[in-house]
Amino acid sequence: ETGVTQTPRHLVMGMTNKKSLKCEQHLGHNAMYWYKQSAKKPLELMFVYSLEERVENNSVPSRFSPECPNSSHLFLHLHTLQPEDSALYLCASSQEGAGLPYEQYFGPGTRLTVT
Amino acid sequence: SQKIEQNSEALNIQEGKTATLTCNYTNYSPAYLQWYRQDPGRGPVFLLLIRENEKEKRKERLKVTFDTTLKQSLFHITASQPADSATYLCALDEPYNQGGKLIFGQGTELSVKP
Repeated sequence: ETGVTQTPRHLVMGMTNKKSLKCEQHLGHNAMYWYKQSAKKPLELMFVYSLEERVENNSVPSRFSPECPNSSHLFLHLHTLQPEDSALYLCASSQEGAGLPYEQYFGPGTRLTVT
Repeated sequence: SQKIEQNSEALNIQEGKTATLTCNYTNYSPAYLQWYRQDPGRGPVFLLLIRENEKEKRKERLKVTFDTTLKQSLFHITASQPADSATYLCALDEPYNQGGKLIFGQGTELSVKP
């Protein structure tokens, strides 16, 4: 496997379900991100992990819970979601360094539908 | 706060022509600006990065310019092909004291007709 992988690629869940999204990066990067992308809207940054520490939480509702057990893996735990949470959830990774610009490498995304 | 404006209307051009996409920002000039390509239902793919002290950057048929006076970046695809059809996103960095994260525009959809 190369790059950034995400599973599952598609997920349909009811509002009372609990599910998890998984992301794995094979690039040796030290930072990982969760983004939400809704139709015709810019990418919304949800969470940032740098060196396995959460450094950003963009006022995301508590029904979204991230977990970063190591620098290669990132999870997004979902529970009691709302229909407006239906979107494409993207994971990304980058190599951060002081003063260095960094490009982000994205996974293929999980298309989430909440019914 | 910083806002990024990209043409929300799709750009339709004929194969072989040059496509030009615009990215405008409203506030501080970023240290660098990036362009990504996104195909439907897929994650964005990094294309080019240009720093604030660079006027122009090229990669194969792609060219990016960065004008900090106009607060604008232009993204050009020369000799466009139908395979270039996608949504193109620009992104710029926030200063480290504001989190240092990337902010993305909503993207411009490009359609290249044969």
